[in-house]
Amino acid sequence: AQKVTQAQTEISVVEKEDVTLDCVYETRDTTYYLFWYKQPPSGELVFLIRRNSFDEQNEISGRYSWNFQKSTSSFNFTITASQVVDSAVYFCALRRTGRRALTFGSGTRLQVQP
Amino acid sequence: NAGVTQTPKFRVLKTGQSMTLLCAQDMNHEYMYWYRQDPGMGLRLIHYSVGEGTTAKGEVPDGYNVSRLKKQNFLLGLESAAPSQTSVYFCASSYSLYQGARETQYFGPGTRLLVL
Repeated sequence: AQKVTQAQTEISVVEKEDVTLDCVYETRDTTYYLFWYKQPPSGELVFLIRRNSFDEQNEISGRYSWNFQKSTSSFNFTITASQVVDSAVYFCALRRTGRRALTFGSGTRLQVQP
Repeated sequence: NAGVTQTPKFRVLKTGQSMTLLCAQDMNHEYMYWYRQDPGMGLRLIHYSVGEGTTAKGEVPDGYNVSRLKKQNFLLGLESAAPSQTSVYFCASSYSLYQGARETQYFGPGTRLLVL
């Protein structure tokens, strides 16, 4: 069975602070895909990033960066210089190769205070 | 290009009533999905479709039926609503698997359903 754990239920930071959202996953597959989605207060799910299990390069997109470490089964997400607009629930998800369903973590609610 | 749209946005039902949720996508995606989101939990897959006229069960299919008569539409039906089906329902779509980044799932805005 596969599982995604986001141990941080809620994080509160002050604007301009850096914040890291943790994601730990479990799977027996050697090939799989990892995702991060953002759910702002308006409720929709916004795709942020997709990562293949065989590509362990870290990725940076503006203030967002992702650290994928296969050895520790983690796919952490860092927001640098956080802004109020970053306030949202962030979900990490896993998809097994050849399967359709995404397995989601329970989400981390990030509140960025002005 | 509207992406994935869902109707209605919000609905209140009484126990035993039926309803259909509509999902539409204009990205020519082959695959479509229905998920539910409950408080404190991530999304769970209800049913999915790999193409027009085909559907399959996901993780939590009981109490729901689906139909995909047209490629762009995916309907989720509740024949006899129960309070346990109070949830937020999300539709998603993607290209087929094995197409690299093209198989990322894109989500609609959600439908909030309250069953009394």
